[in-house]
Amino acid sequence: SAVISQKPSRDICQRGTSLTIQCQVDSQVTMMFWYRQQPGQSLTLIATANQGSEATYESGFVIDKFPISRPNLTFSTLTVSNMSPEDSSIYLCSVEGGYGGEKLFFGSGTQLSVL
Amino acid sequence: QQQVKQSPQSLIVQKGGISIINCAYENTAFDYFPWYQQFPGKGPALLIAIRPDVSEKKEGRFTISFNKSAKQFSLHIMDSQPGDSATYFCAAQGLTGGGNKLTFGTGTQLKVEL
Repeated sequence: SAVISQKPSRDICQRGTSLTIQCQVDSQVTMMFWYRQQPGQSLTLIATANQGSEATYESGFVIDKFPISRPNLTFSTLTVSNMSPEDSSIYLCSVEGGYGGEKLFFGSGTQLSVL
Repeated sequence: QQQVKQSPQSLIVQKGGISIINCAYENTAFDYFPWYQQFPGKGPALLIAIRPDVSEKKEGRFTISFNKSAKQFSLHIMDSQPGDSATYFCAAQGLTGGGNKLTFGTGTQLKVEL
């Protein structure tokens, strides 16, 4: 199993500002995933981050709004830029595991509130 | 387009009862169906998963029933306990197609009352 540390656990931010969320894994992993969990809704994949290459974004998510860094095999950051109240969500970092990589391990998430 | 539909949205069960959560999918390329359990303030954690070559999988008090022809699967929690109170997400994934993109259902908030 993988242990994932995510920071901050929660934050309250002002409209128009940016927040960077950090994700640290206790083992080297090829891919790291960033999810958004809006209140009462499902988990939506934002992007997949591979070390040494640009992140791959899902439909509806763009790099300018959610820039991602992946400097090494154990760390990644997600920035939520120019925030609006609609960005208020839980943001989750995850990594794959299991024999075929089908199992996802999640961090505890970052609860973001934008005023 | 929501590819995995989950119901009910919330569920209250008495201690010792059976909790049943249902999911339906559309994409026949899905070949892996996990359930995740999420407690408040925590990330989701894999609870149990099934592949479509079997119709049922049981792990302790948790059972997945899978109906390939109907494209439906469900989670049964036997002898439900207050500690089972959490949000449950079903999910589906197409492993053979490459990638690890899970499509999640909308979640079910389960409350087990004493």
